[in-house]
Amino acid sequence: GAGVSQSPRYKVAKRGQDVALRCDPISGHVSLFWYQQALGQGPEFLTYFQNEAQLDKSGLPSDRFFAERPEGSVSTLKIQRTQQEDSAVYLCASSLAPTGANTGELFFGEGSRLTVL
Amino acid sequence: GQNIDQPTEMTATEGAIVQINCTYQTSGFNGLFWYQQHAGEAPTFLSYNVLDGLEEKGRFSSFLSRSKGYSYLLLKELQMKDSASYLCAVTDSNYQLIWGAGTKLIIKP
Repeated sequence: GAGVSQSPRYKVAKRGQDVALRCDPISGHVSLFWYQQALGQGPEFLTYFQNEAQLDKSGLPSDRFFAERPEGSVSTLKIQRTQQEDSAVYLCASSLAPTGANTGELFFGEGSRLTVL
Repeated sequence: GQNIDQPTEMTATEGAIVQINCTYQTSGFNGLFWYQQHAGEAPTFLSYNVLDGLEEKGRFSSFLSRSKGYSYLLLKELQMKDSASYLCAVTDSNYQLIWGAGTKLIIKP
């Protein structure tokens, strides 16, 4: 597709349920980022992939959060045993170049809004 | 710690000019971005500064002073569609983007 695609756009989960959020980056983009954005706040870094390699997962808030990008394209963010504090918009962004090569523009998806009841 | 500061909210009048400031304290510096985010939508790229000075792009300009840890985004000839949040983000020495909380800009007719 022409842009970064995320699904689902909206997800309501009961506390304790597992959820999976999908990101389809722009074709050929090497770098993929996951961010968590609370209402009225800037994006908070969760994790970074360069192709299929997860190079930085320092922002994942707990071991309930897991991300993968097995073939270097589509990525999935999984949250196990969801808690109310997990309610947020989860943004995926991709970039053509690996970080460190240049600080190229990030292209964001529309986000997945997760509400945990 | 790493910190990006920008005003929480600003109000301006249609047709006027507004300047949104951003100050930063980060471990290293590899560039500063400004993004625009309309409510419920994805952030979209506005500008990138890595050298000191002013970068002009149509109605929007961005300025950087690395020695002062300071940037501003200047919006001219404001239009109602410019009502949005404006996010300042700095790339640190590890090439990780550190984001500000954003400035909500309200345009009044």
